[in-house]
Amino acid sequence: GAVVSQHPSRVICKSGTSVKIECRSLDFQATTMFWYRQFPKQSLMLMATSNEGSKATYEQGVEKDKFLINHASLTLSTLTVTSAHPEDSSFYICSVGSGTDTQYFGPGTRLTVL
Amino acid sequence: QKEVEQDPGPLSVPEGAIVSLNCTYSNSAFQYFMWYRQYSRKGPELLMYTYSSGNKEDGRFTAQVDKSSKYISLFIRDSQPSDSATYLCAMNPWWAGGTSYGKLTFGQGTILTVHP
Repeated sequence: GAVVSQHPSRVICKSGTSVKIECRSLDFQATTMFWYRQFPKQSLMLMATSNEGSKATYEQGVEKDKFLINHASLTLSTLTVTSAHPEDSSFYICSVGSGTDTQYFGPGTRLTVL
Repeated sequence: QKEVEQDPGPLSVPEGAIVSLNCTYSNSAFQYFMWYRQYSRKGPELLMYTYSSGNKEDGRFTAQVDKSSKYISLFIRDSQPSDSATYLCAMNPWWAGGTSYGKLTFGQGTILTVHP
């Protein structure tokens, strides 16, 4: 399966700042990547689908102006949390889609907003 | 009613036990079925992937799919403390198309603890 990395693995920031999270597909050309967030003891919540070279598709209730997604190449997608607030603190995970079937996940990024 | 139902547990078993994890689903369009293992503070790791009814075995893990009952299972034989994790079932349709392309629908996850 695809190998996916995320950077940073953990970030702490002050309220009001913006944070960028990178997701890289190391051995697979990913036309589609997905961004999830996960709260403690809960399942994954899909935020958006990122397609290389086009605008991301956001799930209902996810603010696209707050969570900016850029998928400029087949190996890199970025999620920027703009003007982060404490309620944005969460575990953010990206995944690479391998077609209609499965996804391979990155190790996740833990965001803490003070 | 959720599209995918999974008992969140927690489930606690002794080392060496056989573990059975289950999910039911309501959407008959689901054709691809996956089990992921997620350790605390890590991303999910793909364990098993199936696309037809029946059993699929990989080492100590067996995935079972019963499409007629809309029921999937994951069996872990000779469970080990290292199997302690959250197990997520996931599935998607044969073809979703449009904005649903490639999306997975997840169960809630079952927290498993295997104690020595």
